[in-house]
Amino acid sequence: KAGVTQTPRYLIKTRGQQVTLSCSPISGHRSVSWYQQTPGQGLQFLFEYFSETQRNKGNFPGRFSGRQFSNSRSEMNVSTLELGDSALYLCASSPPGLARYNEQFFGPGTRLTVL
Amino acid sequence: KNQVEQSPQSLIILEGKNCTLQCNYTVSPFSNLRWYKQDTGRGPVSLTIMTFSENTKSNGRYTATLDADTKQSSLHITASQLSDSASYICVVSGNSGGGADGLTFGKGTHLIIQP
Repeated sequence: KAGVTQTPRYLIKTRGQQVTLSCSPISGHRSVSWYQQTPGQGLQFLFEYFSETQRNKGNFPGRFSGRQFSNSRSEMNVSTLELGDSALYLCASSPPGLARYNEQFFGPGTRLTVL
Repeated sequence: KNQVEQSPQSLIILEGKNCTLQCNYTVSPFSNLRWYKQDTGRGPVSLTIMTFSENTKSNGRYTATLDADTKQSSLHITASQLSDSASYICVVSGNSGGGADGLTFGKGTHLIIQP
């Protein structure tokens, strides 16, 4: 089974621009979560989607948004980029089953650099 | 506030030696604890997952222990190899219905294996 894929792998933008990142979950997984990872803060939860609905949202400004399509693929968008948005953005998908275990399978991430 | 603290922040050991990484948490209620390995530039990969009733879980040369009374976990790596060089992240899940917002991430231990 193919793993979680994320595109693009690397991205360089300038302040004020917007960016869209894409994530394709493992086949059969309907839950997709997004995380921001920086050296100082570790992984921080952005939002989670299940069956095209945002189920949970982390403590990030409204510039960060996302959506999920009917095939479970997900996109996240960051508008009006700031220098502090430079980070590794990770997507993870979860299999159906016992919800409380919430096993997360991560993609390789998209490295975003804001200049 | 739920927190996961990992120690040490970084560790350098010689190839073939053993090492132990620590994770202390204050997440309540508790559902499960997992250890992830993250190679540079890659997404985290799950090593072990333990629920409240499990004290020890092994995955090859990796052995995780959990003391739910003291809220401590450790990851022991036996006979280290160069490929063990990575960041190791401790993640604790609370009973929030299984959503990704119920996960609390540690900032990781950066392990370097020297030949």
